[in-house]
Amino acid sequence: GAVVSQHPSRVICKSGTSVKIECRSLDFQATTMFWYRQFPKKSLMLMATSNEGSKATYEQGVEKDKFLINHASLTLSTLTVTSAHPEDSSFYICSARANPSGGAEVGYGYTFGSGTRLTVV
Amino acid sequence: DQQVKQNSPSLSVQEGRISILNCDYTNSMFDYFLWYKKYPAEGPTFLISISSIKDKNEDGRFTVFLNKSAKHLSLHIVPSQPGDSAVYFCAASAMYGNQFYFGTGTSLTVIP
Repeated sequence: GAVVSQHPSRVICKSGTSVKIECRSLDFQATTMFWYRQFPKKSLMLMATSNEGSKATYEQGVEKDKFLINHASLTLSTLTVTSAHPEDSSFYICSARANPSGGAEVGYGYTFGSGTRLTVV
Repeated sequence: DQQVKQNSPSLSVQEGRISILNCDYTNSMFDYFLWYKKYPAEGPTFLISISSIKDKNEDGRFTVFLNKSAKHLSLHIVPSQPGDSAVYFCAASAMYGNQFYFGTGTSLTVIP
């Protein structure tokens, strides 16, 4: 089946530094990828939609200068958390639609990465 | 504002019995609902879905029920197996799979 690879799985960084998270579609091309964030005991919240070759679309309340998204190729999207602070510590996860024609019976063809646990100290 | 809610953060069930996971939503525009299963350190995997034109969808041991008037859906797992132990998320979409709104998840533990 379709695989979305996300790296790193865990990262610890110091306050003020930047961290880059990669999301790759391994066996399909994805013009659109999605970045989610999950706070402890909270739901997955959509942060932004990453569009290949164009600017990302950010959800309301998400700082675009804080969370830089680059989708330079059809198989790679990156999320960079800039000037990280402890409150940025969270679980970040990406997804992509492997089967654009997939219906609800296959979850619309979306596949999720394994997530990245970011801890800012 | 949480548009999809799972009010039970955890559930324990004996092996072989039925597991019932509940989900409530507030947006009447939602017309597709999905359940995902998530193991620790892994991404969610799609489990089963239902559209608003149905009130029940069954796939093996998994059945999802939708009550549109109550804005409520539930996932039934029967018989429950230890391998079903995971966090289950419900998600809803108002357009054809364009954006999902997730619940907070329910951690299911099936006791052998």
